[in-house]
Amino acid sequence: EVVLTQSPGTLSLSPGERATLSCKASHSVSSSYLAWYQQKPGQAPRLLIYGISSRATGIPDRFSASGSGTDFTLTISRLEPEDFAVYYCQQYGSFGGGTKVEIK
Amino acid sequence: EVQLVESGGGLIQPGRSLRLSCTVSGITFGDYAMTWVRQAPGKGLEWVSFIRSEAYGGTKEYAASVRGRFTISRDDSKSIAYLQMNSLRTEDTAMYYCARMRYFWGPSQYYFDSWGQGTLVTVSS
Repeated sequence: EVVLTQSPGTLSLSPGERATLSCKASHSVSSSYLAWYQQKPGQAPRLLIYGISSRATGIPDRFSASGSGTDFTLTISRLEPEDFAVYYCQQYGSFGGGTKVEIK
Repeated sequence: EVQLVESGGGLIQPGRSLRLSCTVSGITFGDYAMTWVRQAPGKGLEWVSFIRSEAYGGTKEYAASVRGRFTISRDDSKSIAYLQMNSLRTEDTAMYYCARMRYFWGPSQYYFDSWGQGTLVTVSS
């Protein structure tokens, strides 16, 4: 079973800034497959990215993702007020512990 | 537009059983695998179980934490996925979400593209 470790645990940034979130897998199972989700308080998770870098339907292009092997990254180019949330990576039946992006 | 609605949650004593339902509309339910994911209060997401479509043999998988106690099933004629939870423990307390499962390159590479709003299960005496 792959273990996904997300860092940092919390990211404090201002609107308009760039956010870079990391997800590291304990071992490489598939180099071409990882998904990212956004969750706001009191809401269900929402799919942002699948297949490492493909944006889900309706996801704005300020969200991008990359990576391979064991190291993956989600980037939000310019934070909008609605982007402050918790972000999770997922591969197979494993989720990372999440990164909270909060307003500085 | 796909819609998923969970039901069946509530307050239940340890050791008892509960069945959750996930009613799906807007898609041909039988074409898709379905999954359950839970989230304990203030914690992260934990995958629980999935069931593939009949086209992929209807295979089921479970997280180690629930294997042997939980059973996933589906009724394609009603567009409902179920999660039968037996021998409940306090650590099963969580919001339970159902989601549609999609494949990337093949059935072993899956992600979850549509989610319900969840149903809360509280296990307490």
